[in-house]
Amino acid sequence: QVTLRESGPALVKPTQTLTLTCTFSGFSLSTSEMCVSWIRQPPGKALEWLARIDWDDDKYYSTSLKTRLTISKDTSKNQVVLTMTNMDPVDTATYYCARMGTSRNWFDPWGQGTLVTVSS
Amino acid sequence: QSVLTQPPSVSGAPGQRVTISCTGSSSNIGAGYDVHWYQQLPGTAPKLLIYTNSNRPSGVPDRFSGSKSGTSASLAITGLQAEDEADYYCQSYDSSLSGDVVFGGGTKLTVL
Repeated sequence: QVTLRESGPALVKPTQTLTLTCTFSGFSLSTSEMCVSWIRQPPGKALEWLARIDWDDDKYYSTSLKTRLTISKDTSKNQVVLTMTNMDPVDTATYYCARMGTSRNWFDPWGQGTLVTVSS
Repeated sequence: QSVLTQPPSVSGAPGQRVTISCTGSSSNIGAGYDVHWYQQLPGTAPKLLIYTNSNRPSGVPDRFSGSKSGTSASLAITGLQAEDEADYYCQSYDSSLSGDVVFGGGTKLTVL
């Protein structure tokens, strides 16, 4: 059974850097074609893709946010970490991680999500 | 404003059929990128509903079906049930955004 779980701070201050961890089980990011993505959803709004990391350490970022994002993985710990710099109240959202594949390019399954509020 | 356009809301009575459209352009759906659909029940994470335009994952009822034509895709739900009340999102890729993943704005389905 594949599961993913997001963890990180529930509250960050404006200008701070957010660090989120996705801990997963049931698959390995050292397996060919495996990938993990981060997606966020502001309250009451639509989904927005943020970043993706592949089994071979290739990394992809949202064009609009790439200057603020860094994604990395620790294969031995089955974890993917996302950092987002210079947080702003508009970044308040539920942040999800999800598994995907390079050829099976859909998100399945998703983690439960973690709500991050940006406020002073 | 989302790259893929969905109606904000649709509704139907139990047992009826509803469709949700997902309209893109020549740089995403029209460029041949596949479309995937997700169901988000209230207060929960999205769940994969349809992948690669028209395929249902194991466990998804055959009341749900997907199609794609030109620059658009559609999700159809037949035999509407109260438990289908949720938000639905389409997802694809866009070549004008360096291959970024793009989502629709989401459609709220209300079962009357």
